[in-house]
Amino acid sequence: DTGVSQDPRHKITKRGQNVTFRCDPISEHNRLYWYRQTLGQGPEFLTYFQNEAQLEKSRLLSDRFSAERPKGSFSTLEIQRTEQGDSAMYLCASRIEGYEQYFGPGTRLTVT
Amino acid sequence: AQSVSQHNHHVILSEAASLELGCNYSYGGTVNLFWYVQYPGQHLQLLLKYFSEDPLVKGIKGFEAEFIKSKFSFNLRKPSVQWSDTAEYFCAVLTGGYQKVTFGTGTKLQVIP
Repeated sequence: DTGVSQDPRHKITKRGQNVTFRCDPISEHNRLYWYRQTLGQGPEFLTYFQNEAQLEKSRLLSDRFSAERPKGSFSTLEIQRTEQGDSAMYLCASRIEGYEQYFGPGTRLTVT
Repeated sequence: AQSVSQHNHHVILSEAASLELGCNYSYGGTVNLFWYVQYPGQHLQLLLKYFSEDPLVKGIKGFEAEFIKSKFSFNLRKPSVQWSDTAEYFCAVLTGGYQKVTFGTGTKLQVIP
């Protein structure tokens, strides 16, 4: 499969726990994006990487959120001390310049 | 900051009816525009894209969209919808040096057989 993959697909956690999600982009794509999507809303931009450099972060990304892309390939998104309001679908997308984004299937987070 | 407005939140049509979904964006510079579709239980898929070519863009499954720069609009159209077009449709704009993509809130389309 040569598409964007995300792991895990579903995560249920208790409030206060830390969670980490992984995204593997399409191999030649140097640009990687994280979004959050809640019911009835479009994807909300969280952060963007070009290669290993994190070039932009949304104000939505509080201090409890951190993202990395250490070797310019896969990326991780960590949420510390989760809150119920963090429950959402977390989407990853990748692209190369001049082309559209390709989305992964998402990780659905439920914080109880 | 850029924003995208989709005016229709929920549209119900009968099969064979024509479809037009509105999308307006706010950004003064060069933009690339997209329509994505999300079928129930599936992830976002690209319907069509505008990258500075012909303002009338044709996509998959008979969809098309027209970029009207003076109106900051990129409306999606299909002359005759099918039941299988039932899905949520998102307009998105790519802007700026950092290549940020902003999505609208989506339009749920329900096609009745």
